[in-house]
Amino acid sequence: DQQVKQNSPSLSVQEGRISILNCDYTNSMFDYFLWYKKYPAEGPTFLISISSIKDKNEDGRFTVFLNKSAKHLSLHIVPSQPGDSAVYFCAALQGAQKLVFGQGTRLTINP
Amino acid sequence: EAQVTQNPRYLITVTGKKLTVTCSQNMNHEYMSWYRQDPGLGLRQIYYSMNVEVTDKGDVPEGYKVSRKEKRNFPLILESPSPNQTSLYFCASSLWGSQETQYFGPGTRLLVL
Repeated sequence: DQQVKQNSPSLSVQEGRISILNCDYTNSMFDYFLWYKKYPAEGPTFLISISSIKDKNEDGRFTVFLNKSAKHLSLHIVPSQPGDSAVYFCAALQGAQKLVFGQGTRLTINP
Repeated sequence: EAQVTQNPRYLITVTGKKLTVTCSQNMNHEYMSWYRQDPGLGLRQIYYSMNVEVTDKGDVPEGYKVSRKEKRNFPLILESPSPNQTSLYFCASSLWGSQETQYFGPGTRLLVL
């Protein structure tokens, strides 16, 4: 039972354009939603988060949008850069203890 | 430098041979956790610990044990490894109440033959 789903295993975007990564969830009790970025041979690193009481959070080139009615969140990267090529994991925090991850989306930024 | 370290980074073993993967953090974090990453499944939590001597099961605890005798260390023990435990394992830590910003180790790739 996958509570957090990333339905696109991969995404390819031209450098300078917008990258949009999507995530759906089923559990309405999640308090926080997060995006992690992972390079090969490294652990995931925290990128950006959003509380369930907000609908948008922005940090530089990264913006996360939350649509609670649709149980959907998205990560926008503008403009996309080659260094953004990585696997992105969507995650949700349940209570204070448990982080539930999606399957990941491999983003490739083409020059 | 603030970091989470794991050892070994790579391990090949045989079915039934007990092994331990160590995890250590130098940030005085209360919360520590173990995850496994498998293709198409993302990261799934195995066990977590809220502080010394306090541990609890995550989503996939079967076949694993943990202990938290010291704040900085959180070893993962496979008493009798099986091939379905072949995976990429990550340890993570955070301050209690800040689990949304967990710091991850570099990962341990385990192959059980």
